[in-house]
Amino acid sequence: GDSVTQMEGPVTLSEEAFLTINCTYTATGYPSLFWYVQYPGEGLQLLLKATKADDKGSNKGFEATYRKETTSFHLEKGSVQVSDSAVYFCALSEADNNDMRFGAGTRLTVKP
Amino acid sequence: EAQVTQNPRYLITVTGKKLTVTCSQNMNHEYMSWYRQDPGLGLRQIYYSMNVEVTDKGDVPEGYKVSRKEKRNFPLILESPSPNQTSLYFCASSPDMGMYEQYFGPGTRLTVT
Repeated sequence: GDSVTQMEGPVTLSEEAFLTINCTYTATGYPSLFWYVQYPGEGLQLLLKATKADDKGSNKGFEATYRKETTSFHLEKGSVQVSDSAVYFCALSEADNNDMRFGAGTRLTVKP
Repeated sequence: EAQVTQNPRYLITVTGKKLTVTCSQNMNHEYMSWYRQDPGLGLRQIYYSMNVEVTDKGDVPEGYKVSRKEKRNFPLILESPSPNQTSLYFCASSPDMGMYEQYFGPGTRLTVT
């Protein structure tokens, strides 16, 4: 079945450092890919998404490109801020399936 | 404001005492789902519903029940809670599956002693 694997955390960075969180997936069809962010004490909220190969999703300085050849959707940000401290989830969804598959989550802590 | 609401936010209960966690959305979404979040396991789907009166099992349905009598509500029922159901629960809704994002509630932290 479909699955998502993302790099294990926790990840600790200094403010203004470059961030990469790796995400790879396995899917039988042509999924849409998502990154969700979970701030402390809150539910998940969509950070960005891409619905077909070579699409780039972007939001709040974060970017991820849908790479079909490597089945990857890595999250990047050029300069992180303390306010980016959160748990990040990679996820996929296929129209033929009735669920969304999530990775285990990566906790990011950004220190001043 | 478009939102998914869950109640209660926090609940401590004892083994075997039936409980219901409510979920409601005001976006007229067709699809609703329940997840549980456990450390190191990400989110796992418990049950989902494609429309009113249509529900189906997700990956971890054992010990849970749901109903979808109205489009906006999707309660999660634990008939006889056990300690292994201690977890953080999220309700979510979306217009459909596939390319659509899911909108999540704020979560319900359940502890079963």
